[in-house]
Amino acid sequence: KAGVTQTPRYLIKTRGQQVTLSCSPISGHRSVSWYQQTPGQGLQFLFEYFSETQRNKGNFPGRFSGRQFSNSRSEMNVSTLELGDSALYLCASSLRNRGELFFGEGSRLTVL
Amino acid sequence: AQSVTQLGSHVSVSEGALVLLRCNYSSSVPPYLFWYVQYPNQGLQLLLKYTTGATLVKGINGFEAEFKKSETSFHLTKPSAHMSDAAEYFCAVSDAANFGNEKLTFGTGTRLTIIP
Repeated sequence: KAGVTQTPRYLIKTRGQQVTLSCSPISGHRSVSWYQQTPGQGLQFLFEYFSETQRNKGNFPGRFSGRQFSNSRSEMNVSTLELGDSALYLCASSLRNRGELFFGEGSRLTVL
Repeated sequence: AQSVTQLGSHVSVSEGALVLLRCNYSSSVPPYLFWYVQYPNQGLQLLLKYTTGATLVKGINGFEAEFKKSETSFHLTKPSAHMSDAAEYFCAVSDAANFGNEKLTFGTGTRLTIIP
């Protein structure tokens, strides 16, 4: 059974640009969550989607957005990139509402 | 609001020695508790979880953790460390009473180093 797949794995952007990250959950998982990981702030929750609806949102500015498609695949977008957005963005999927998340390997974003 | 405190951002143990990683949580409702491990340049892998029932839970790779409500703790242990255990470990809590809430609150992590 394939795990959570995130693309791209690595990307470099410049300030002011926007970026879209993609996540394909484990087959049958309908919940997808996104986390930002940085050395300074650790793992911070961005948002969670279930059946194409955002069910939960973390404390991030509106530049961070996401969506989920009918096949449960999810994308997150960051507009007007700032240097502080450099991070590892982790996607996780789950089968049930019990917090047992299965993580992808992440997309490492560097903003120059 | 939930929170997790991991005592010790870096822990070093000798190969074959006991591993003890500390985690304390704060939650206003019965928590679900988790330990995840992260190897370099990889995502997080679930080691073990506590939901309800038995307070001593066993996970993968010989790790176990005990939920102690009176101490609000969920410390991770392994009797004998192996070189392959070197990684970063994260304790996390979710709001079990809020059915459908997938949000995990993570601790700041503990980097485990194994001394040969």
